[in-house]
Amino acid sequence: DIQMTQSPASVSASVGDRVTITCRASQYISSWLAWYQQKPGKAPKLLISAASSLQSGVPSRFSGSGSGTDFTLTISSLQPEDFATYYCQQANSFPFTFGGGTKVEIK
Amino acid sequence: EVQLVESGGGLVQPGGSLRLSCAASGFTFSRYGMSWVRQAPGKGLEWVSTISGSSNTTYYADSVKGRFTISRDNSKNTLYLQMNSLRVEDTAVYYCAKYSNGYFPYNCFDPWGQGTLVTVSS
Repeated sequence: DIQMTQSPASVSASVGDRVTITCRASQYISSWLAWYQQKPGKAPKLLISAASSLQSGVPSRFSGSGSGTDFTLTISSLQPEDFATYYCQQANSFPFTFGGGTKVEIK
Repeated sequence: EVQLVESGGGLVQPGGSLRLSCAASGFTFSRYGMSWVRQAPGKGLEWVSTISGSSNTTYYADSVKGRFTISRDNSKNTLYLQMNSLRVEDTAVYYCAKYSNGYFPYNCFDPWGQGTLVTVSS
């Protein structure tokens, strides 16, 4: 199975800050990586597919980059509605696997 | 608007069975792969199972293989998860999720249903 390692596990940031979350795959996954946002008590929401493709309706302050084994989700200017937990997911092979999550908290 | 609505969760004893349903609307159901993903209380996301649009192909996580069965009825726009021999560690919110596009088998999930809670406890 492909292991997905996210870091940090949590980050404390202020509105307007730039936040970067990384995700590392235990083996090569090309660009088969997605990023999700989950708020408490809600279902996850797809933000980015294919490592860098922003989903329709997702604010442009979110961006994704990387390929192979190392990936990054960046929030360029954190907004109040962005405080949530973020997960990466590899879609390169079964079983699909998720990172452990990164909780973005208010500083 | 795409909508996914799960039902069928509840409290069940270890060793028991439960069938989850996911009613889909707002898209051509038969053209998309569908999946179940679960989340134990306070934990991360775990992929459970995937089925192709035509039901020809299914995939399972090792943790549920031989106990859970994914199926779909394209005439009813409904996805199912039959869960047998349930264990305490199967306790989780179960989400159904649509593949983000028509490509199969490798894909991501968009959107997700609101989830249904399954509690396995004596």
